[in-house]
Amino acid sequence: GAVVSQHPSWVICKSGTSVKIECRSLDFQATTMFWYRQFPKQSLMLMATSNEGSKATYEQGVEKDKFLINHASLTLSTLTVTSAHPEDSSFYICSAALSGGVTYEQYFGPGTRLTVT
Amino acid sequence: AQSVTQLDSQVPVFEEAPVELRCNYSSSVSVYLFWYVQYPNQGLQLLLKYLSGSTLVKGINGFEAEFNKSQTSFHLRKPSVHISDTAEYFCAVSEGVTGGGNKLTFGTGTQLKVEL
Repeated sequence: GAVVSQHPSWVICKSGTSVKIECRSLDFQATTMFWYRQFPKQSLMLMATSNEGSKATYEQGVEKDKFLINHASLTLSTLTVTSAHPEDSSFYICSAALSGGVTYEQYFGPGTRLTVT
Repeated sequence: AQSVTQLDSQVPVFEEAPVELRCNYSSSVSVYLFWYVQYPNQGLQLLLKYLSGSTLVKGINGFEAEFNKSQTSFHLRKPSVHISDTAEYFCAVSEGVTGGGNKLTFGTGTQLKVEL
């Protein structure tokens, strides 16, 4: 149980275009989802916290107009990288927390590798 | 604010030898502690977690960790490693009393490399 999927698993796009990444909780409902960014051989940096039906909360230094997050349902959150540039190339990972859960943990997706050329 | 320090960026070890990956945290309140493993180009998998109770926590794949409040540590151990344990290991901390909706702060990770 508690499986999180991401789509696509990898994507290559041209500079200036937008890319949408989906994060789905497959067998549970997630009130809260998180989006992380990971550079090669580095740790995960939290970008934003997404709550179903409300605006995402972005971490300091993350451009909310560039990284658009939508959490329209209890099983789906999307991250759209707008006007992507090569410096946006990274590994993006989402996680989901159980609605009303007592396990105090997040379940992570497999990640999406974004390469901007 | 909470923070996590993983003192070793890389730990080489021979197969079947024991290993300890160190993790220290800083927080002004009670915390929940986690260890995750990441294989290349994959997401994170939970190894084990400490929420309360016994300070010795057992996880998957033969790993265990001990919560030491006085030393603010949560070191990960395995008595005998296997080649398949080669991966990146992240220690993480979460504050608060509510559920998984709390933010996780990750350490910088420790690359465990198991050699024959």
